[in-house]
Amino acid sequence: GQNIDQPTEMTATEGAIVQINCTYQTSGFNGLFWYQQHAGEAPTFLSYNVLDGLEEKGRFSSFLSRSKGYSYLLLKELQMKDSASYLCAVRDSNYQLIWGAGTKLIIKP
Amino acid sequence: TAGITQAPTSQILAAGRSMTLRCTQDMRHNAMYWYRQDLGLGLRLIHYSNTAGTTGKGEVPDGYSVSRANTDDFPLTLASAVPSQTSVYFCASSPGTSGTDTQYFGPGTRLTVL
Repeated sequence: GQNIDQPTEMTATEGAIVQINCTYQTSGFNGLFWYQQHAGEAPTFLSYNVLDGLEEKGRFSSFLSRSKGYSYLLLKELQMKDSASYLCAVRDSNYQLIWGAGTKLIIKP
Repeated sequence: TAGITQAPTSQILAAGRSMTLRCTQDMRHNAMYWYRQDLGLGLRLIHYSNTAGTTGKGEVPDGYSVSRANTDDFPLTLASAVPSQTSVYFCASSPGTSGTDTQYFGPGTRLTVL
C-alpha cells in the first residue's frame, strides 16, 4: 500500500527553527510537495522537490532523499503566522497526489 | 482573478437527499480534482478529470459522481447522502498532471449529513 508519515503535532518558539519530517512509501515517485493549511482554509503550495537535495525559498527550505524515502520542511525565523498544518504529498506512478495527514505546528511567543 | 470558487460554503443535508457541490475555475487549467478531508486523515481523492470530457475514479469514489462538460466546471454529486459523507470537500485544479504542475485549491465546502 501507499503511505505517507508525518508527526501529528509539533510545538516551537517564535524566532526559532523547526524541521518537519515526512517519510513515504509509494508506488512510483514523480515529485514531492509541501503545502501549508491554516485552520478553516484551503491548502496553499509551498514547495516542490523531484531531485535529491535542498530547495530554499526565503524562510522555508525543503529537502529530499529519494533513496531513503524522506523529506523535511525547514522553517526559519518562525513567526506567529506560521501556526498552521503542513501537508506532505507525493506524486505517484499514476501522477496522482498521495497525501499525509499533516503536521499541526503550534508557535508559542 | 477569482481562481477556484466553490459553492455552497457549508451545508447541512438530511440523509438520503441528493446534493451537488459546485466548483468553477477561471485559470483554464486542464486538470481538476475533488478531495475530502477528515480529521486525522490526509486529503483523499474522490474523482478527477485530466481534461474536459474525461473523468476518473480516485481512492474513495463510492457514493459520488462527477461530470466535466467544459474546462471551467467540475460539479460533484452525492446521489443519496449518508452520515459518513460528512466532511470538508475541496476542489482543486492544475495546469496538467505531470512535472511541476501544482494543484491549486478552492476554499472548500463543509458538508454535514444528518
